[in-house]
Amino acid sequence: QKEVEQNSGPLSVPEGAIASLNCTYSDQGSQSFFWYRQYSGKSPELIMFIYSNGDKEDGRFTAQLNKASQYVSLLIRDSQPSDSATYLCAVNIPPHAGNNRKLIWGLGTSLAVNP
Amino acid sequence: DAMVIQNPRYQVTQFGKPVTLSCSQTLNHNVMYWYQQKSSQAPKLLFHYYDKDFNNEADTPDNFQSRRPNTSFCFLDIRSPGLGDAAMYLCATSRDFGTSGRNEQYFGPGTRLTVT
Repeated sequence: QKEVEQNSGPLSVPEGAIASLNCTYSDQGSQSFFWYRQYSGKSPELIMFIYSNGDKEDGRFTAQLNKASQYVSLLIRDSQPSDSATYLCAVNIPPHAGNNRKLIWGLGTSLAVNP
Repeated sequence: DAMVIQNPRYQVTQFGKPVTLSCSQTLNHNVMYWYQQKSSQAPKLLFHYYDKDFNNEADTPDNFQSRRPNTSFCFLDIRSPGLGDAAMYLCATSRDFGTSGRNEQYFGPGTRLTVT
């Protein structure tokens, strides 16, 4: 059973702090990892993707990938109230397991940034 | 700006009355997806098109159909909506890069379907 797991939260952080969101996945062959932000009642918005081990930074966001441990994380520096949303982790289905145009989704972590 | 557009944004239909949702894209992506998302759940893939090649998910009810008349447009038809079909319907697109899996999916704003 291919799975992506996230803590549902809510994760509560004060404004200006670093928010750390984690995601683990079950299939070692997965190659591509995505973080989506979803505000209540809105559609998912792609905010980060990472394909190689290590860190990838984009503004206040850093994605970290560790394939050996099968986890991917998202750090949000200088958190703002506008970052309050659900963050969805998605992982591609590796070619050996089927159609790799498809993603396996976690249930998301709810983040609340308190002013 | 290149984007994914969905119409209508809100749709109310009666139980059993067919409904069609539309999606268009200006990204020139060759893959288009339809997802269903209910409250506090992950998006659930219904089907996707790779160019004109239709790929249905095994657990997608027959009540759901799709058409892709050209690269830019894709439609979701719900033939006889039930109360359980009330959800957000999301269209997404990606550019396929073969077996690399590097296909970032970009979503439209969604259509909120209410069934009365």
